[in-house]
Amino acid sequence: GENVGLHLPTLSVQEGDNSIINCAYSNSASDYFIWYKQESGKGPQFIIDIRSNMDKRQGQRVTVLLNKTVKHLSLQIAATQPGDSAVYFCAEMVNFGNEKLTFGTGTRLTIIP
Amino acid sequence: DTAVSQTPKYLVTQMGNDKSIKCEQNLGHDTMYWYKQDSKKFLKIMFSYNNKELIINETVPNRFSPKSPDKAHLNLHINSLELGDSAVYFCASSQWTGGGTGELFFGEGSRLTVL
Repeated sequence: GENVGLHLPTLSVQEGDNSIINCAYSNSASDYFIWYKQESGKGPQFIIDIRSNMDKRQGQRVTVLLNKTVKHLSLQIAATQPGDSAVYFCAEMVNFGNEKLTFGTGTRLTIIP
Repeated sequence: DTAVSQTPKYLVTQMGNDKSIKCEQNLGHDTMYWYKQDSKKFLKIMFSYNNKELIINETVPNRFSPKSPDKAHLNLHINSLELGDSAVYFCASSQWTGGGTGELFFGEGSRLTVL
């Protein structure tokens, strides 16, 4: 994994701007990916998911992009708000339904008012 | 109503003690998990149970023993606690079959501090 055991990558974005959080996954056999948001003192919350047969999926203010060629996943958050400040995790699964979700390192997003 | 609830939220104990964390989900899900989050925020799966049956055991020391009395409950018992066990432990549940999306619903976490 990336930056495991070193430090939590951080990203600071001005309120109202768009943010992009990146994630590199290691297992080319992974076919299901999820982004989670974790606010301070809380458990991770589902944001959006994508299957490997898609390269883009949109939700409310969020877009996930999947590039299987380079094993890269990104989460775009549009028009960021203070409530978007959190740690964001990408997670991958080999064979949807096998129940083992492996989380990436996480990125701390701070929205500057 | 809390979907996945775990108790206690905070636990401070001495090395060598035995402690338990309890988890209950009211979502009707078949699968429950324990994840460990270290001080660097790294989330690692420990166990998963499907309908009371152990499915995943991720090379966790056998001092950790999960128990699932029914599919709505998954408890975690830890023997002979060590300093390195200090972490936040998250319970989660999901539904992969019968039209379930597989989304994991997490509890609020139980912060364990071993002194």
